[in-house]
Amino acid sequence: AQTVTQSQPEMSVQEAETVTLSCTYDTSESDYYLFWYKQPPSRQMILVIRQEAYKQQNATENRFSVNFQKAAKSFSLKISDSQLGDAAMYFCASAYSGAGSYQLTFGKGTKLSVIP
Amino acid sequence: EAGVTQSPTHLIKTRGQQVTLRCSPISGHTSVYWYQQALGLGLQFLLWYDEGEERNRGNFPPRFSGRQFPNYSSELNVNALELEDSALYLCASSLFRSKETQYFGPGTRLLVL
Repeated sequence: AQTVTQSQPEMSVQEAETVTLSCTYDTSESDYYLFWYKQPPSRQMILVIRQEAYKQQNATENRFSVNFQKAAKSFSLKISDSQLGDAAMYFCASAYSGAGSYQLTFGKGTKLSVIP
Repeated sequence: EAGVTQSPTHLIKTRGQQVTLRCSPISGHTSVYWYQQALGLGLQFLLWYDEGEERNRGNFPPRFSGRQFPNYSSELNVNALELEDSALYLCASSLFRSKETQYFGPGTRLLVL
């Protein structure tokens, strides 16, 4: 079984500044994937970034990047040049192909506020 | 390209009733996942359908069921509704060759009174 832990229930950042959201996970699998999803007040869950465990290079999507530390089982999300539209719940998630199922295991989420 | 769609957006039911939620995946996606997001319980995996078959289910009672149609759309049925079934039900879809990467719909908010 996989577990995902987000230790920061809430965080805030000034507009245009950088913020890092933490995530740790636990798995015995070697082939797995890690994700960050964003859920704004509209409730739509939006895929922010995806990381394949076998790739050492950290994934980047525009202002969003991750710091993937495989040995430490850590997967943090860095948001640069924060914008008001970044305010949302952020969920870290993992998936693996064990037993032929790819369901996502989510952390509890971090609520990010952006201060103008 | 249209995203995942779900209907209805909101639903109010009373205990003991039955409800059907619907999901249309992104065009070309063959897998559909259902998740429950209840207050205090986080996001929990419910069901996975792939190529018309139920492939896996989470730790939910049998009154949660569903199906996937030949066009890959899906229904989630909940029988004998209980108060604790009140939640946001999220549907996600994925490509055959990238099943782990899931794209979500806007969800159906179910309130059981």
